[in-house]
Amino acid sequence: SAVISQKPSRDICQRGTSLTIQCQVDSQVTMMFWYRQQPGQSLTLIATANQGSEATYESGFVIDKFPISRPNLTFSTLTVSNMSPEDSSIYLCSASTGFYGYTFGSGTRLTVV
Amino acid sequence: AQKITQTQPGMFVQEKEAVTLDCTYDTSDQSYGLFWYKQPSSGEMIFLIYQGSYDEQNATEGRYSLNFQKARKSANLVISASQLGDSAMYFCAMREPYNNNDMRFGAGTRLTVKP
Repeated sequence: SAVISQKPSRDICQRGTSLTIQCQVDSQVTMMFWYRQQPGQSLTLIATANQGSEATYESGFVIDKFPISRPNLTFSTLTVSNMSPEDSSIYLCSASTGFYGYTFGSGTRLTVV
Repeated sequence: AQKITQTQPGMFVQEKEAVTLDCTYDTSDQSYGLFWYKQPSSGEMIFLIYQGSYDEQNATEGRYSLNFQKARKSANLVISASQLGDSAMYFCAMREPYNNNDMRFGAGTRLTVKP
């Protein structure tokens, strides 16, 4: 299955700033997904990112806060904008490689102070 | 509506014993896949086992097996011969290929293996 390199692995950011998380896949994939995992919680889907089209956001997530880029079939970024302490979470990207194949990046542990 | 339900926030098991983690799901699709992931404290998601809705046999992967009861819409994970390294969060998840095909997760179960 595909391998995803996600970076940064962790960061501590000041409130009001933005952080861009990058995910690089070692093969071409059609669908990529971004998840947020708040402390002690499960994974919640933020958006689905398909190459060549705008990302589709889940209820409660907006493009102004979490802009996503998908410039090609192997790369995607998620930006967490105007951060507040409530944005402190683990952010994970994933890629679908067929119905069975579903690979996660190693996650970005974000702390906003 | 919650599609994946894990009713055990925490579970304890003695080392070398077996443990069952519960998962029920809700879908009206005929085609779907059920997954279990392990998440250690490092935060990475480790794939454990997969069960397709059309699979007649229960899936097994080493010490992991999935007790699939389709009529009851349950997909319980059984870990045999527990090891200390099995202590982690465990998530049940489902994919529906005709419904965006993303992965939807349950709330998770924290498993602690006692020496």
